[in-house]
Amino acid sequence: NTKITQSPRYLILGRANKSLECEQHLGHNAMYWYKQSAEKPPELMFLYNLKQLIRNETVPSRFIPECPDSSKLLLHISAVDPEDSAVYFCASSPRDRGRSTGQLYFGEGSKLTVL
Amino acid sequence: GDSVTQTEGLVTVTEGLPVKLNCTYQTTYLTIAFFWYVQYLNEAPQVLLRSSTDNKRTEHQGFHATLHKSSSSFHLQKSSAQLSDSALYYCALNTGYQNFYFGKGTSLTVIP
Repeated sequence: NTKITQSPRYLILGRANKSLECEQHLGHNAMYWYKQSAEKPPELMFLYNLKQLIRNETVPSRFIPECPDSSKLLLHISAVDPEDSAVYFCASSPRDRGRSTGQLYFGEGSKLTVL
Repeated sequence: GDSVTQTEGLVTVTEGLPVKLNCTYQTTYLTIAFFWYVQYLNEAPQVLLRSSTDNKRTEHQGFHATLHKSSSSFHLQKSSAQLSDSALYYCALNTGYQNFYFGKGTSLTVIP
């Protein structure tokens, strides 16, 4: 799936800070960050619609999202914890002001390993 | 609240035999969409099937599912499992406000 690109694909961190980047070329208004730990379904972290933060789930404050424009999403991570080891997926879906039952499209994911 | 339930965590089936993965849901919304996502090892989830119409069968890649609002179900079935079907399968509900609810997933293993 080259329509949603994520970087870096793999990262290994000690206590360093790092940012994940995502860009979608689907023209979608809604963008998401999901965390997927081993043997678990994707868990929503953040949802943006038209650059506005719509949902902010219970996520540690060391995770800070940023949406510089409607096609880009960043996730800034500081002072990671071993429990943060997971794959972080960026996703997007079509969303207008009204209701939309469109599907969720996932990027390739960024696999974070915390030492 | 809204939720999706997948009762089987692990399913093993012999190649060539039928397979059924169960999915039930709970929601107060009337206009909803359902998805089956498949996730192969070290890959991202991708949509396998989609439905928002009651009692209408939807098919893709040999899999099929029918949304039954009367029983709140959207089970996934295939008449003849293939080795390449081995993967994680997630049932997901979209209530229309881009809130996606995922089931816990079913790991399908097809053996020769």
